[in-house]
Amino acid sequence: ILNVEQSPQSLHVQEGDSTNFTCSFPSSNFYALHWYRWETAKSPEALFVMTLNGDEKKKGRISATLNTKEGYSYLYIKGSQPEDSATYLCAFNAGGTSYGKLTFGQGTILTVHP
Amino acid sequence: DAMVIQNPRYQVTQFGKPVTLSCSQTLNHNVMYWYQQKSSQAPKLLFHYYDKDFNNEADTPDNFQSRRPNTSFCFLDIRSPGLGDAAMYLCATSVWGHRNTEAFFGQGTRLTVV
Repeated sequence: ILNVEQSPQSLHVQEGDSTNFTCSFPSSNFYALHWYRWETAKSPEALFVMTLNGDEKKKGRISATLNTKEGYSYLYIKGSQPEDSATYLCAFNAGGTSYGKLTFGQGTILTVHP
Repeated sequence: DAMVIQNPRYQVTQFGKPVTLSCSQTLNHNVMYWYQQKSSQAPKLLFHYYDKDFNNEADTPDNFQSRRPNTSFCFLDIRSPGLGDAAMYLCATSVWGHRNTEAFFGQGTRLTVV
């Protein structure tokens, strides 16, 4: 059984604050690590798909890093805005016979207060 | 434009009464997935199709079945819903064979069992 953990479970920040959260995953049989943003009443949308140890990806104010040897990824949001409020999910792809299937963490619920 | 569409968005069914959830895609992706998410938990994979090849997760209850009559459509059948089956059901698609590929999700169907 693959174990993917996210922390914290929820986070409240003020507009303009920078924030970060963590995803931990198995360090063996790594194939890819995904980050999704899930806004209320919408579909989960991919932010990043990361495949290489040391990867750093950025999209606007949001960035992510990846450490496959120790099994963790960080998601950073710089200068949080109310529209960043959402659930952030990470998902692990083990490749091999699990190729294509994603094992999700339980998510971090971010609320940005104006 | 929505590329993965789930119907209905909300479904209320009676205990023990069969129910079908539907998913359609316009992406022509060869893989379709069904995930179940219960409150505050990680989305859990129930099964997936690679083209018409069905792949069941070992811990998916027999009560859950799926059909994929063509590339575009996939159905989740719950033969005798119990109260414990109340959850958000997410359909997703992806392209098998590309490590960097993301999954595309529908908006989900919220199932209530009364």
